[in-house]
Amino acid sequence: DVKVTQSSRYLVKRTGEKVFLECVQDMDHENMFWYRQDPGLGLRLIYFSYDVKMKEKGDIPEGYSVSREKKERFSLILESASTNQTSMYLCASSLQGGGNIQYFGAGTRLSVL
Amino acid sequence: GNSVTQMEGPVTLSEEAFLTINCTYTATGYPSLFWYVQYPGEGLQLLLKATKADDKGSNKGFEATYRKETTSFHLEKGSVQVSDSAVYFCALRRDDKIIFGKGTRLHILP
Repeated sequence: DVKVTQSSRYLVKRTGEKVFLECVQDMDHENMFWYRQDPGLGLRLIYFSYDVKMKEKGDIPEGYSVSREKKERFSLILESASTNQTSMYLCASSLQGGGNIQYFGAGTRLSVL
Repeated sequence: GNSVTQMEGPVTLSEEAFLTINCTYTATGYPSLFWYVQYPGEGLQLLLKATKADDKGSNKGFEATYRKETTSFHLEKGSVQVSDSAVYFCALRRDDKIIFGKGTRLHILP
C-alpha cells in the first residue's frame, strides 16, 4: 500500500514563526502536492512538484514556499506564519501520467495564534 | 476554465436511504473524473473514477456515471450505512493536477 506520512497531526505556532510541514511518501512517486483545506472552500492547491528540486506554484502560493531535495520528501514552509494560515494541510503524491490517482496523508492541523 | 461544482451539505439521511450527491463540471476536452472520500480524522482517498464518457465507476456500493451531455458525475448509493458518514469530493484531472469541488458532508443516522 502507498503510504504518505505527514510528520505532525497537530501543530500550534505563534504569529511570525517559521513553520515547516514535512511529508514523506514511500512509493517512488514523481509528483507531490500540498493543499490546504478550509470549511466551505474545499481543497486548494498551494504548491506541487514534478521531480526533485522542481516546484510549481498552485492556486494560492502566497506566504508559502516548498523544498524538494529528495524524491520521497516534500516540505511546505511558512516563512512567517500568520493567523490566516490556520488550516488543515494535506500532502499528496502520485505517479506521473496514467491514472493520476493522488494518495493523501492524514493531514496536519495547524493553528497560528 | 476548469471547475467542479457539487451540492452543498451537510446531507443528513437515515440508514438504508438512497443517496445522491450531485456534481457537475466545466472543462475543455474530456477530463477524467473522480470521487474522493474523507473519513473523520483522515486524509482523502479515492472512492471511484471514470476516464471517458458513459464510463461507470463503482466501489463499496457507490456508483457514478460520466455524462458528457450533461457534464455531470453524480454519486449514488442505494442503501447508505452509518459508516458512510464522511466528506465526499468530486474532482477532475487537469494535466497532472486534480481540481476538487468544495466537498459535501454526509451524515447517516442509525
